Amino acid sequence: GAGVSQSPRYKVAKRGQDVALRCDPISGHVSLFWYQQALGQGPEFLTYFQNEAQLDKSGLPSDRFFAERPEGSVSTLKIQRTQQEDSAVYLCASSRALRGGGGNEQFFGPGTRLTVL
Amino acid sequence: DQQVKQNSPSLSVQEGRISILNCDYTNSMFDYFLWYKKYPAEGPTFLISISSIKDKNEDGRFTVFLNKSAKHLSLHIVPSQPGDSAVYFCAASGGGNFGNEKLTFGTGTRLTIIP
Repeated sequence: GAGVSQSPRYKVAKRGQDVALRCDPISGHVSLFWYQQALGQGPEFLTYFQNEAQLDKSGLPSDRFFAERPEGSVSTLKIQRTQQEDSAVYLCASSRALRGGGGNEQFFGPGTRLTVL
Repeated sequence: DQQVKQNSPSLSVQEGRISILNCDYTNSMFDYFLWYKKYPAEGPTFLISISSIKDKNEDGRFTVFLNKSAKHLSLHIVPSQPGDSAVYFCAASGGGNFGNEKLTFGTGTRLTIIP
């Protein structure tokens, strides 16, 4: 399809394991966002890419979280040494927005549900 | 510090009647507001948006109203249909650095349409 895709859809990890979550944005979308959604809460911003440049990572909760988008398309969110509090749905979104392009809606993928045991 | 608040966790409305979902915000730098709809096991789907230079935007059965002085917006759905049953998130953007239009979300309102 033409939408944002994410894989895997579900991931169960043992505490201390490293995980990698993948996002394929809509083709041609410049901006890519990662959000974390805890149970019963709204999505919370993690990090933002404009093409391959990571311009804002202020929402990453710790240095165990790392994101990359090396060729300005596919992005990977990596969590090292997972903890139980990392259990959440991780959402990726893309948009056409460029600098100053306020208002371009973000299109979300289905999310990856991470459960850390 | 919740900058976007949806104070009603749930709402039930009879089919055919009007659904009104409310949202309040505290950050005066926000200049764009969006409503997303979310079904279980799916990502949020964009519904409708409004810029801070407007006070109303309409798209079919959906209308969003913005009251900047009260820092309040609402989503009206009329007539409500069973397929509208979902969780609705209010989101806001603006004032970000580097043209970053990151969204700040509320906690959502679960809307149930009763046939």
